[in-house]
Amino acid sequence: AIQLTQSPSSLSASVGDRVTISCRASQGISSALAWYQQKLGRPPKLLIYDASILESDIPSRFSGSGSGTDFNLSISGLQPEDFATYYCQHFNSYLQAITFGQGTRLEIK
Amino acid sequence: VFLMQSGAEVQKPGASLKLSCQASGYAFINYYMHWVRQAPGQGLEWMATINPNGGGTSYSQTFQGRVTMTRDTSTSTVYMELSSLRSEDTAVYYCARAWGNSLFRPTATFYYFEHWGQGALVTVSS
Repeated sequence: AIQLTQSPSSLSASVGDRVTISCRASQGISSALAWYQQKLGRPPKLLIYDASILESDIPSRFSGSGSGTDFNLSISGLQPEDFATYYCQHFNSYLQAITFGQGTRLEIK
Repeated sequence: VFLMQSGAEVQKPGASLKLSCQASGYAFINYYMHWVRQAPGQGLEWMATINPNGGGTSYSQTFQGRVTMTRDTSTSTVYMELSSLRSEDTAVYYCARAWGNSLFRPTATFYYFEHWGQGALVTVSS
């Protein structure tokens, strides 16, 4: 099965900062990757799909990039509401299996 | 789009669990549905997927033999049954609807989770 490894596991940043979260796949996955944001006690929210396409109503300060094995989620000009946990996710069509990264917790400095 | 999940449950080890998720606000049969769970303080874990149009399913190998996902198109409801419960199954269980319409979107988009239910806390304890 394909593994997704996120780094860092946690990150401290200040309002206004730019941050980047990495998601590395154990083998090439083309661009079939999504990013989610989850706040405490809430279901996840889809931010990015197909590695770089911004979901409707998601602020443009969020962006996704990458293909193959290395992917990034970037947030420019951090806002207070952006402090949350972020997950990457992939669907393996061969194995018919969905995998999540272990998550990256973004905390306020 | 709205996904209404059944409520919190407390179950004993060895018992079975059946959760429901009723969808509204869109054409039910055109969007894959999924179950994802999250143990306390842990990450997200995919469990099962169903194509409401025909009922075809996929299951995580982690739960093979213990999980069954079904749907009722007359009520736009999906169900997830998990058997032989153990304490490690204590988690919040979410249903989620796919981003892509299965009539005309690429297959990969059926497996991005655009809409989520509110979650149901399941506690397994003797």
